[in-house]
Amino acid sequence: AQTVTQSQPEMSVQEAETVTLSCTYDTSESNYYLFWYKQPPSRQMILVIRQEAYKQQNATENRFSVNFQKAAKSFSLKISDSQLGDTAMYFCAFNNAGNMLTFGGGTRLMVKP
Amino acid sequence: SQTIHQWPATLVQPVGSPLSLECTVEGTSNPNLYWYRQAAGRGLQLLFYSVGIGQISSEVPQNLSASRPQDRQFILSSKKLLLSDSGFYLCAWMSAYNSPLHFGNGTRLTVT
Repeated sequence: AQTVTQSQPEMSVQEAETVTLSCTYDTSESNYYLFWYKQPPSRQMILVIRQEAYKQQNATENRFSVNFQKAAKSFSLKISDSQLGDTAMYFCAFNNAGNMLTFGGGTRLMVKP
Repeated sequence: SQTIHQWPATLVQPVGSPLSLECTVEGTSNPNLYWYRQAAGRGLQLLFYSVGIGQISSEVPQNLSASRPQDRQFILSSKKLLLSDSGFYLCAWMSAYNSPLHFGNGTRLTVT
């Protein structure tokens, strides 16, 4: 069974600085997809970024980028120029080319003014 | 474009009362549909998923049930609510293998 681990339950960062959230996963598959979701205080789940395992290039979406290390089974999220609106729970998720996502336990990020 | 509607947004129900939460998806056909529950400050627990009309898979034994009477409608039900059923319930859909999950806005259920 696939597992997704987010080892940082809580993190904080000063506004305008950069923060990296960690995620590791365990799978024997070679083709899979990885996602980061953001859940602000409103509790709506918002897709932030996605990465296909067969792509070597790291995905980027504006201030959000990932560091995908396939051999190490690591998928970290970097948030640049942090904004107060980035305060949220962040979930890493894994899809092994099927119809089920496996979620990590989440990292609570606080952006401080 | 595709949209997902989930209602109600909040619900307060007494113990022993029935429950019905509804979720509908627009702009796509034959989506995979999911119900998740989330305790405060915690991760997501998959409750049910469906790959087609009348096809329901349950991930955990519980006091809840799900039904999919139409292609884009997913209903979460209970005959008698327990205090432990309190939580935040999220409906989600997926269009195809390997695509991301798209979530509704959630229902905050408080059982008193």
